[in-house]
Amino acid sequence: GENVEQHPSTLSVQEGDSAVIKCTYSDSASNYFPWYKQELGKGPQLIIDIRSNVGEKKDQRIAVTLNKTAKHFSLHITETQPEDSAVYFCAASTRNQFYFGTGTSLTVIP
Amino acid sequence: DTAVSQTPKYLVTQMGNDKSIKCEQNLGHDTMYWYKQDSKKFLKIMFSYNNKELIINETVPNRFSPKSPDKAHLNLHINSLELGDSAVYFCASSQAYREQPQHFGDGTRLSIL
Repeated sequence: GENVEQHPSTLSVQEGDSAVIKCTYSDSASNYFPWYKQELGKGPQLIIDIRSNVGEKKDQRIAVTLNKTAKHFSLHITETQPEDSAVYFCAASTRNQFYFGTGTSLTVIP
Repeated sequence: DTAVSQTPKYLVTQMGNDKSIKCEQNLGHDTMYWYKQDSKKFLKIMFSYNNKELIINETVPNRFSPKSPDKAHLNLHINSLELGDSAVYFCASSQAYREQPQHFGDGTRLSIL
């Protein structure tokens, strides 16, 4: 089955700086890569996703890049704000089964 | 309107009891899921289910069983609860005909005394 690794497990940045979270996957059949943000006491919420036929996607301060050859994808958050503090999960999907990374706890220091 | 709703939000019970968690989605999705999130925040799929197929993660004990009265509901029944079952359980839903994002509920925190 698919194996998704996520790094780092914790990340602290100063407000206004950028944050980058990286994931690797093992199954070359995976073709959909969503990113989720989980705030305390809430369920994971989709923030951005990318499909295997696209190399990069951007939505305001958030961007995701995908390297299919190397089997890795990354989340980039620019101009971080305190409300970006949360746990972020990457996932790789094949045949609609999601395999989640182990999560990154992001803290944005005001 | 809440897209995926779970009840109860908190469930405190004793070892050996049987309990159920309910999940409803109003998104018109045809596939629903149950996940378990442990204290380290690891999210593990337990079941995925649509009207044609139930996929069970083989590591899930058979004390856990999903029951779907209709497309909009997928309840989780747990028999003979054990201390290790303490976790947050999330329900999710999606459209299965192509790769689509899953929408999550806010979770049920299960605590076994």
